[in-house]
Amino acid sequence: DIQMTQSPSTLSASVGDRVTITCRASQSISNWLAWYQQKPGKAPKVLIYKASSLESGVPSRFSGSGSGTEFTLTISSLQPDDFATYYCQHSSSYPRTFGQGTRVEIK
Amino acid sequence: EVQLLESGGGLVQPGGSLRLSCAAAGFTFSTYAMSWVRQAPGKGPEWVSAISGGGGYTHYADSVRGRFTVTRDNSKNTLSLEMNSLRAEDTAVYYCAKHRVAHTGDFDYWGQGTLVTVSS
Repeated sequence: DIQMTQSPSTLSASVGDRVTITCRASQSISNWLAWYQQKPGKAPKVLIYKASSLESGVPSRFSGSGSGTEFTLTISSLQPDDFATYYCQHSSSYPRTFGQGTRVEIK
Repeated sequence: EVQLLESGGGLVQPGGSLRLSCAAAGFTFSTYAMSWVRQAPGKGPEWVSAISGGGGYTHYADSVRGRFTVTRDNSKNTLSLEMNSLRAEDTAVYYCAKHRVAHTGDFDYWGQGTLVTVSS
């Protein structure tokens, strides 16, 4: 099975900060990587798919990059609505696996 | 508008069974693979099972293989998850999710989830 490792687990930041979250796959997954945002009591919402494609309706301050085994999610200027937990997930094969999550909290 | 609505969750004793359903609307259901994803309290999402658009191919996480069965009825736009021999560690919110691409890809739409609690 492919393991997904995210870092950091928690990130404290201020509104307007540039934020970067990293996700590493235990083996190459090409660009089959998605990023989700989740708020308490809600289902995850996809932000980025195929490593760098922005989901329709998602603000352009979100971007994704990477291929193979190393990927990043960047929020160019953190907004109040962005305080949430972020997960990466591969779709290269089964079983699909998620990273353990990165909680973005207010500094 | 794509809509996914889960139902069937509830409280069940260890060793018991439960059947979850997911009613889909707003897209050509039979074209897309579908998955079940669960999330235990305070934990991250865990993929559970997937089924191809036609229903001929299924996949399971090791943690549920042999106990859970995923099926779909394309005539009724419904996805189901039959859960047997339930354990305390199966306690979670269960989501159904649509795959972005017909046979693969990420999950572009999720339901609101249904809570399954396994406890005596």
